Amino acid sequence: GQNIDQPTEMTATEGAIVQINCTYQTSGFNGLFWYQQHAGEAPTFLSYNVLDGLEEKGRFSSFLSRSKGYSYLLLKELQMKDSASYLCAVMDSNYQLIWGAGTKLIIKP
Amino acid sequence: ETGVTQTPRHLVMGMTNKKSLKCEQHLGHNAMYWYKQSAKKPLELMFVYNFKEQTENNSVPSRFSPECPNSSHLFLHLHTLQPEDSALYLCASSQDTGGSYEQYFGPGTRLTVT
Repeated sequence: GQNIDQPTEMTATEGAIVQINCTYQTSGFNGLFWYQQHAGEAPTFLSYNVLDGLEEKGRFSSFLSRSKGYSYLLLKELQMKDSASYLCAVMDSNYQLIWGAGTKLIIKP
Repeated sequence: ETGVTQTPRHLVMGMTNKKSLKCEQHLGHNAMYWYKQSAKKPLELMFVYNFKEQTENNSVPSRFSPECPNSSHLFLHLHTLQPEDSALYLCASSQDTGGSYEQYFGPGTRLTVT
């Protein structure tokens, strides 16, 4: 079967750096997405990786290793507004998105 | 209106009721999706429409019936639901299906079945 694993919950301190990991086993691979979802709101797109390596976008970076079935989202200079759930999703060989259950990130002052 | 809108935002219905959820996208996209989001579970893809044609139906019970009259509007008709159908129902759209096309989500309808 297809599976996306990410930690259920993480806690970090304002101003610090946090890395949220995602491992996947899917039938084929056509890219990996990260989305942010604040409580009670819609998920919003953060990043897309299809080739190995690091993609940087401001305070957020996303890394992909296809051979290891692994990605991480790196958040720098954490702000209180970064408290949210972070969803990892992989597009499989049928171009269908397989979603992880999300990582709830709690930022403490 | 911009982006993806959904109505109603909250819905409480009995198991014998019939109701409909509405989604509208103002982005000129060709693909639209219905997802179910339950607490601490992955998003479950229910239906996909591309250019108004249904392309995916992930073994969804027949008590959920989608309708896509045009590429901007998507409905989810509900009848004889079960309490386990209580969840957040999210609509999304993208330029096309597949590839790097990011999905834009609406705010969701919080459904409670009593």
